[in-house]
Amino acid sequence: GQQVMQIPQYQHVQEGEDFTTYCNSSTTLSNIQWYKQRPGGHPVFLIQLVKSGEVKKQKRLTFQFGEAKKNSSLHITATQTTDVGTYFCARMDSSYKLIFGSGTRLLVRP
Amino acid sequence: DAGITQSPRYKITETGRQVTLMCHQTWSHSYMFWYRQDLGHGLRLIYYSAAADITDKGEVPDGYVVSRSKTENFPLTLESATRSQTSVYFCASNRASDTQYFGPGTRLTVL
Repeated sequence: GQQVMQIPQYQHVQEGEDFTTYCNSSTTLSNIQWYKQRPGGHPVFLIQLVKSGEVKKQKRLTFQFGEAKKNSSLHITATQTTDVGTYFCARMDSSYKLIFGSGTRLLVRP
Repeated sequence: DAGITQSPRYKITETGRQVTLMCHQTWSHSYMFWYRQDLGHGLRLIYYSAAADITDKGEVPDGYVVSRSKTENFPLTLESATRSQTSVYFCASNRASDTQYFGPGTRLTVL
């Protein structure tokens, strides 16, 4: 199946700075999901986007789905140490399997 | 998240031994999945199941066997463990296009 490419691989920010991770696909996506994995933990669902141009917010997190449904982004405003972890995007295929991006590891300096 | 459990949480075994990792979910979700996550990497699908007695291969199935005789259980067996199978294994479940819920993971070391 088609992969989803995720960048950057790592991001090290000062607490209070913003953070963005991007997910790109060469083909149109029917949906995109975002997960967060804390160090030593398991992936936890954050959100699912299905509509072209969709924007959803969860407190300091803003999720976007591109107009062409080929890319998505997760933006965190004013990072906190609690935001530390790896953020994965994933597309769900027709068999309800998730194909994960490689993840972006966020480190936050207090 | 408490509805999906994995056992053991940690396992050390030797090359050539058979190992079974257990996964149990209490939600009666139709779909169940096994992923492996290698240090510093993403998640790769090993096997998945759409319902009891229905299983299919994922991206990296070689060396693994699964079964699903009951909806709530989805054990993963390493028939003859190799060092390259040292990894963290996650089980997950969901209803159709719904959110996927992950278990806490099993950290497996093959010596």
